[in-house]
Amino acid sequence: ILNVEQSPQSLHVQEGDSTNFTCSFPSSNFYALHWYRWETAKSPEALFVMTLNGDEKKKGRISATLNTKEGYSYLYIKGSQPEDSATYLCAFKNAGNMLTFGGGTRLMVKP
Amino acid sequence: DGGITQSPKYLFRKEGQNVTLSCEQNLNHDAMYWYRQDPGQGLRLIYYSQIVNDFQKGDIAEGYSVSREKKESFPLTVTSAQKNPTAFYLCASSEGMLVGNTIYFGEGSWLTVV
Repeated sequence: ILNVEQSPQSLHVQEGDSTNFTCSFPSSNFYALHWYRWETAKSPEALFVMTLNGDEKKKGRISATLNTKEGYSYLYIKGSQPEDSATYLCAFKNAGNMLTFGGGTRLMVKP
Repeated sequence: DGGITQSPKYLFRKEGQNVTLSCEQNLNHDAMYWYRQDPGQGLRLIYYSQIVNDFQKGDIAEGYSVSREKKESFPLTVTSAQKNPTAFYLCASSEGMLVGNTIYFGEGSWLTVV
C-alpha cells in the first residue's frame, strides 16, 4: 500500500493570510501528482495535475510546486479568502496508473 | 450540464441487505471509478472500469460488485458480505487512464447501515 501523507490535517487562518500545506508521496515510480479542492456538499474539483520534477502550476491565488526526487508537493494560497475554505486533497499516480489519495488538509478561513 | 450524477444522496440499509448505488456520466468518458471515504482516511479505490464491459478490482473490492454494460453507467452494489458498509461513496470518471488525465467526481452518496 502506497503512503501519501498530507499535513497539517486541518488549518485555521484569518482572511488575508497566506498559507501552504504539504503532500508527501513515494519518490519511486512517480508518474503524476494531482491536487483537488473539495468544498462541503460539492464534488472534488481538480486544481492541478503535475508530472515533471520542478513543475510549478498556478491558478489565480493558488499555486503548487513539485519535487519528485524527495517526494513532496506544496500547495500555496495567497491572501486566503473565506471561499477558499475546503478540504484540499492530493493524489499520487504511479506506474500502476491508479491514484492513491492522501487524507486531505481541511482549511478554514475566518472572515 | 455535463457531469456525473450519483443517486441516491442518502441511503439507509438494514444489515444483511444488498443495496445498489447509481452513477451516471454524460462526459463521454471511457474510464469510471468508485471510491470510498471513511472518517480521517483518504479516498480508497473499490473498483474501476477502463472501458465498457470491463472492470477491475481496486484496493478494497471485497463485499462489492459492479457492472459496466453502458459507457455512461457504472453502478456499485454493496453486498451483505461487506463487513463495514457505512461510509461515503464517490463515483468518478476520466477520459482515459493516461498519466495526465484528470478525474472528475460526482457529489457522493452516504450509505448508513442500521
